[in-house]
Amino acid sequence: AQSVTQLDSQVPVFEEAPVELRCNYSSSVSVYLFWYVQYPNQGLQLLLKYLSGSTLVKGINGFEAEFNKSQTSFHLRKPSVHISDTAEYFCAVQYSGGGADGLTFGKGTHLIIQP
Amino acid sequence: EAGVTQSPTHLIKTRGQQATLRCSPISGHTSVYWYQQALGLGLQFLLWYDEGEERNRGNFPPRFSGRQFPNYSSELNVNALELEDSALYLCASSYRGGGLGQPQHFGDGTRLSIL
Repeated sequence: AQSVTQLDSQVPVFEEAPVELRCNYSSSVSVYLFWYVQYPNQGLQLLLKYLSGSTLVKGINGFEAEFNKSQTSFHLRKPSVHISDTAEYFCAVQYSGGGADGLTFGKGTHLIIQP
Repeated sequence: EAGVTQSPTHLIKTRGQQATLRCSPISGHTSVYWYQQALGLGLQFLLWYDEGEERNRGNFPPRFSGRQFPNYSSELNVNALELEDSALYLCASSYRGGGLGQPQHFGDGTRLSIL
């Protein structure tokens, strides 16, 4: 079965420090990759997406992610975090073929920014 | 541009009742997706509608059903409610005509509580 693994359920980081949130997916077929952020009592907001081309993609709010096909990973990074980045982050995969279209999500990583 | 809108924001029901949740997609989007975000279970794909037809469903029982109207808005119906149906139900929309990889845009969800 297709799956997405977010290795850390919680990541505490000091303000202005760099952060990396890890995501691995299980598939050898073509995939489309997404990172979403969820603030309390809200829906999901798209941070960035990888469809094809350059493996380094830049998103909103200073986030970027790198697609690594050989390691089936799509880790999210930010060089300097702010208190406002405190939220739940979800990695999601859409598998080409099979006509599914629905996203497969990881369990989420709660990013906690400490002052 | 208006985003994805969902109603109601909160819904309280008792076991055995039926619940109806509504979603209006972003203008121009033809695909609507429903997801369940239950505590401890993460985000799970429920249903996908495109051009008025159900295209795919996740691993949920038949008492979860829905439809898409000619204006592309959608309803999710949950019959014979059970306690474990308590969750945040998220609707997302995308422009399907461009094929796979179209990012899905989410509403803020309907919080369904079963007493």
